[in-house]
Amino acid sequence: QQQVKQSPQSLIVQKGGISIINCAYENTAFDYFPWYQQFPGKGPALLIAIRPDVSEKKEGRFTISFNKSAKQFSLHIMDSQPGDSATYFCAASMRGSQGNLIFGKGTKLSVKP
Amino acid sequence: DTAVSQTPKYLVTQMGNDKSIKCEQNLGHDTMYWYKQDSKKFLKIMFSYNNKELIINETVPNRFSPKSPDKAHLNLHINSLELGDSAVYFCASTHTRARVAGNTIYFGEGSWLTVV
Repeated sequence: QQQVKQSPQSLIVQKGGISIINCAYENTAFDYFPWYQQFPGKGPALLIAIRPDVSEKKEGRFTISFNKSAKQFSLHIMDSQPGDSATYFCAASMRGSQGNLIFGKGTKLSVKP
Repeated sequence: DTAVSQTPKYLVTQMGNDKSIKCEQNLGHDTMYWYKQDSKKFLKIMFSYNNKELIINETVPNRFSPKSPDKAHLNLHINSLELGDSAVYFCASTHTRARVAGNTIYFGEGSWLTVV
């Protein structure tokens, strides 16, 4: 049973466009929702994260939108750049879990120049 | 300096062999992890250690044995390697504050294990 479902599996966006990746979760005990970015040959790196007490968090061109009632959250990348081409993972963890992240299956983003 | 470093980065070995992957973090964190990323890039936690104590042991075959000699090191030893063990293994660390989720987890660059 997959606790965090991520879509789409892959995404192609033109330079300057908006990239949108969606995730849905099952467990209402989750209280921390990070997005990780992974470049080929590298480890995942934290991009941006949100807690369920806010509906949106923005850091530069990256925004998380969070819908607690729908148990969904999404990553929006504004003005997408070729350098954003990477695999993006949503994840979730719950309080007291010692940081055990449950990851989505990842979205491979390609930004075309 | 690399915050979370793993060695070796690449490892090709035959079925049945025993191998180890080493991990060190210089961030002063108290919790370390091993994650496995399969060929489809799915990331799943294997083990979590807090202050050298095993906290999480997901359903991993007992051929996998983590060892934490101190808070800065978490090694992974794998016995009797099988073809299905081929994957990328990531070490990670964080500073866990009691009853607070959401600490940034820092990942190493991964160890590519290929079993032939």
